[in-house]
Amino acid sequence: QQQVRQSPQSLTVWEGETAILNCSYENSAFDYFPWYQQFPGEGPALLISILSVSDKKEDGRFTIFFNKREKKLSLHIADSQPGDSATYFCAAQGYGSSGNKLIFGIGTLLSVKP
Amino acid sequence: DPKIIQKPKYLVAVTGSEKILICEQYLGHNAMYWYRQSAKKPLEFMFSYSYQKLMDNQTASSRFQPQSSKKNHLDLQITALKPDDSATYFCASSQGGAAETLYFGSGTRLTVL
Repeated sequence: QQQVRQSPQSLTVWEGETAILNCSYENSAFDYFPWYQQFPGEGPALLISILSVSDKKEDGRFTIFFNKREKKLSLHIADSQPGDSATYFCAAQGYGSSGNKLIFGIGTLLSVKP
Repeated sequence: DPKIIQKPKYLVAVTGSEKILICEQYLGHNAMYWYRQSAKKPLEFMFSYSYQKLMDNQTASSRFQPQSSKKNHLDLQITALKPDDSATYFCASSQGGAAETLYFGSGTRLTVL
């Protein structure tokens, strides 16, 4: 049973458009939601994160929108650039979780066309 | 310079053999982890260590054994390899608290024939 779901699995946008990546989860105990970006041949790297006490987090062109009631969040990438082409993983961690056991979604492969 | 070093980058093994995946981190972190990334599957948590002690094990098989000889080392020994073990194995580290950033290495891609 997948605890963190992502959609779409792949997404293509034109340069300058806003890419919207979706994520949902099942466990109400999750309270920390990072998004990781992964380029081919590399490990994932933290892009932006949000705690469940917030409903929005911005960092430059990247914004997370969080809906705790519906257990959904989304990552918006404004003014998408070809360099943003990568796989994006939504992850979740529960309150009091020992260490940093993150539960990852399957990822969204984003392609930004020039 | 890479702060988390994984060796080797690529590894080919035959079914039934044993391999060790190496991980060293130079971030001064107290916690280290192993994750597995298989095709069409989410990145999967395997183990977490804090101050060289096992904190969490989500791997059902005893064929996977982490080994921590130093605080900044967490190797992964895999015995009796199977084709299903083919995946990219990522080592990661963090300070060890909740809601902290995980830093990943570049992975070891294992292929079992």
